[in-house]
Amino acid sequence: EDKVVQSPLSLVVHEGDTVTLNCSYEVTNFRSLLWYKQEKKAPTFLFMLTSSGIEKKSGRLSSILDKKELFSILNITATQTGDSAVYLCAVVTNRDDKIIFGKGTRLHILP
Amino acid sequence: NAGVTQTPKFQVLKTGQSMTLQCAQDMNHNSMYWYRQDPGMGLRLIYYSASEGTTDKGEVPNGYNVSRLNKREFSLRLESAAPSQTSVYFCASRARGYNEQFFGPGTRLTVL
Repeated sequence: EDKVVQSPLSLVVHEGDTVTLNCSYEVTNFRSLLWYKQEKKAPTFLFMLTSSGIEKKSGRLSSILDKKELFSILNITATQTGDSAVYLCAVVTNRDDKIIFGKGTRLHILP
Repeated sequence: NAGVTQTPKFQVLKTGQSMTLQCAQDMNHNSMYWYRQDPGMGLRLIYYSASEGTTDKGEVPNGYNVSRLNKREFSLRLESAAPSQTSVYFCASRARGYNEQFFGPGTRLTVL
């Protein structure tokens, strides 16, 4: 059975800290891995990763994929209170068009 | 473009009542999805439709039915609502060959 596991499930840090969120997966016919940020409403897209070892970066956020070890990490440096959100990891498969989500990591940044 | 729209935004039902959640997208996407999100559970796939005229079960299909009325619209029906179906429901769509999903704003459903 395909599955996506995120850790930790929740994390509380102080503003300015650096955090690393983890996503591991076991799927057949892997196509890509997606990261989303969800605040109070619908998820918003952050990154798509398809190739191992190539870092995607957007401001203070970056992500990398390891297709051999079947995981991805999302790094946030110099965190701000606006980074408080649930971060979702999802895997897209080539088979039957499904997208499998992890349970998310709830990140809370203390001022 | 409105993107993905969902109606209603909020709904309260009594146990046993039925209702249909509506979803429409104007991006000409082939694939559409219905998810439910409960606290601490992430997004769980209820049903999805890879193209007009086809629908498939996801992780948690029991208690729901769907209709892909045309390419734009994908509705989710609860025939006999139960308190366990209290949740936030998201509709999403995706273009064939692309990875990113676009989400609607969600429907918050409470079943008493």
